[in-house]
Order: sequence, then C-alpha cells, then structure tokens
Amino acid sequence: KAGVTQTPRYLIKTRGQQVTLSCSPISGHRSVSWYQQTPGQGLQFLFEYFSETQRNKGNFPGRFSGRQFSNSRSEMNVSTLELGDSALYLCASSLALDPGLSTDTQYFGPGTRLTVL
Amino acid sequence: GESVGLHLPTLSVQEGDNSIINCAYSNSASDYFIWYKQESGKGPQFIIDIRSNMDKRQGQRVTVLLNKTVKHLSLQIAATQPGDSAVYFCAENIEGNTPLVFGKGTRLSVIA
Repeated sequence: KAGVTQTPRYLIKTRGQQVTLSCSPISGHRSVSWYQQTPGQGLQFLFEYFSETQRNKGNFPGRFSGRQFSNSRSEMNVSTLELGDSALYLCASSLALDPGLSTDTQYFGPGTRLTVL
Repeated sequence: GESVGLHLPTLSVQEGDNSIINCAYSNSASDYFIWYKQESGKGPQFIIDIRSNMDKRQGQRVTVLLNKTVKHLSLQIAATQPGDSAVYFCAENIEGNTPLVFGKGTRLSVIA
C-alpha cells in the first residue's frame, strides 16, 4: 500500500505570494492532519480534516487554511506569505475508524519544504 | 539532507550499545503517547505507542516506558545500529478528538 504522498516536495516563493500544498493520504485513511516543522518551534499542529470537515485547528493565523476532498485528499493554503512561513510542512493520515477518537496512529508523508524569500 | 533541528539535545551512542531517549510530557490528562523517528529529509516514522493504562510496551528492539507519576516517557533501543541515527520525537494527546502535541526531539547519533 502506498504511503502518504505530498506535492510538491520543494517550493520557493517570495513574500506576499500565496501557496497551495497537496497531500494524498494512505488509501482508506479518512483523517488528514497538517503540521509545520521549524528548527525553532519543532512540530506544530495546523489543522485536521475528517470527512471534508475541519475538526481541529491549531494556533495559526487565518492566512493558513485547508480543505479536504471527498476522496480524502487534502490541500493547505498559505496566503500573503511571510519570511517566517519558511518551514517543512508535513501531512499525516490516519484510519479514523471511530471519528470520536483521535488516537489512531498517524502516518506522515515526506513533507513539502517551503522557502519564502 | 535537511536539518530537522539545529539545537536539539544530542545523544551519542556506540554501535551495539543500548540507547535511552527521554521525554517529559506536558499534560497530566494525556492518555496516549507515541514515539516517532525522523531521518534527514524524511517525514516522521511511527515507532511505537502506549496508552496510559500501561507502564511498558515492547516492540522489535524498542521498549517504551511510561511513568505517569512524574509525566515521563522513555524509549529504549536495544543494540543500537547506525540506521537508528535520527531525531526522535515523543508525542502525546488526550483520547477523544484532540491533536497530537510533539516534544522538541532528541538527536541520536550512533558511533560506528
């Protein structure tokens, strides 16, 4: 079974631009979570989607948004990019057989390395 | 490969020795804990998990110990190999629809 895939793997943007990152979960997985990883802050939770609905959101500004499609694929968008948005953006999927629980094992993709100049 | 964290605590271990990586978790209400391994240029890889109704869980060459009294989690790797060199993260959450909270990570360096 293929793992979580993320595209693109690397991206360079300039301040003020916007960017869209894509994540395809493991086949059959219904929950997708997004994380931002930086050397200073570590891994920080952005948001989680289940059945096309955002069910958890981290402490990030409204410039960060996401969505999930009916096939469970997910995208995240960052508008008006800032230098501090440079990071590795990770997507993780989980089976989520019981939507009331969040303790399914999350499997991560390789990430998208975003550099903002 | 890309550096995950420039100023992480580092544990250097001789090949063949056992490694112990420690983690102090933050929320006394957390009841699910996971260890992840992240190699350079890759996403975190699941190693082992444990729920709060257990003190110890063993996998292949790895053991996780949970001490709820002092909010401490440890990962023991037996017969450490060069391929174990990576950054290790502990993560916690509360069962019932809450996101994972990750620790800062520890870099394990295996000396051949």
